[in-house]
Amino acid sequence: EAGVTQFPSHSVIEKGQTVTLRCDPISGHDNLYWYRRVMGKEIKFLLHFVKESKQDESGMPNNRFLAERTGGTYSTLKVQPAELEDSGVYFCASSPTGIYGYTFGSGTRLTVV
Amino acid sequence: DQQVKQNSPSLSVQEGRISILNCDYTNSMFDYFLWYKKYPAEGPTFLISISSIKDKNEDGRFTVFLNKSAKHLSLHIVPSQPGDSAVYFCAASLLDNTDKLIFGTGTRLQVFP
Repeated sequence: EAGVTQFPSHSVIEKGQTVTLRCDPISGHDNLYWYRRVMGKEIKFLLHFVKESKQDESGMPNNRFLAERTGGTYSTLKVQPAELEDSGVYFCASSPTGIYGYTFGSGTRLTVV
Repeated sequence: DQQVKQNSPSLSVQEGRISILNCDYTNSMFDYFLWYKKYPAEGPTFLISISSIKDKNEDGRFTVFLNKSAKHLSLHIVPSQPGDSAVYFCAASLLDNTDKLIFGTGTRLQVFP
């Protein structure tokens, strides 16, 4: 079984630019989550999709972040415009059964300069 | 305000000895606790979990202990092996319909020969 795939693995952009992160969940997993870890801090929840619907987006920092999940398959997380404090590692996870079956991707390391 | 705290950023243990990683939480409503292990450039992987109705769960070399009155849990690794060197994250969940995990900041474990 293929795992959760995230790309790019690294992205360096200038402040004010736009970046789009992509996550391909494990096939058949209805639940898809985005998390973020700012350097040295905790891994923080951003949002949760069930199929194509946003179940919980309480962790999204502000309206510069836009997440979509097309047709209940892959998901994208767009940051526009990027700010310095958006730097960190963005993890995607998918699960068939909620918190009991999370599988995380390797993450996208975003650096805003 | 951080609800899950891992106050030791790092721990160094000799191979063959016991590793004890600690985690404290503030929200008495948490129902379920998990430990994740993370290697560099990889996503967190699930290690072991415990429900709030139990005080101990064991899986091979890994045992998690929960002390609800103290709002404290610990992960014991016996015997420790060099391959256990990684960052360990404690996480908690409310088992409501949000499915989100609340993570600590992680403890870096180094097991030396």
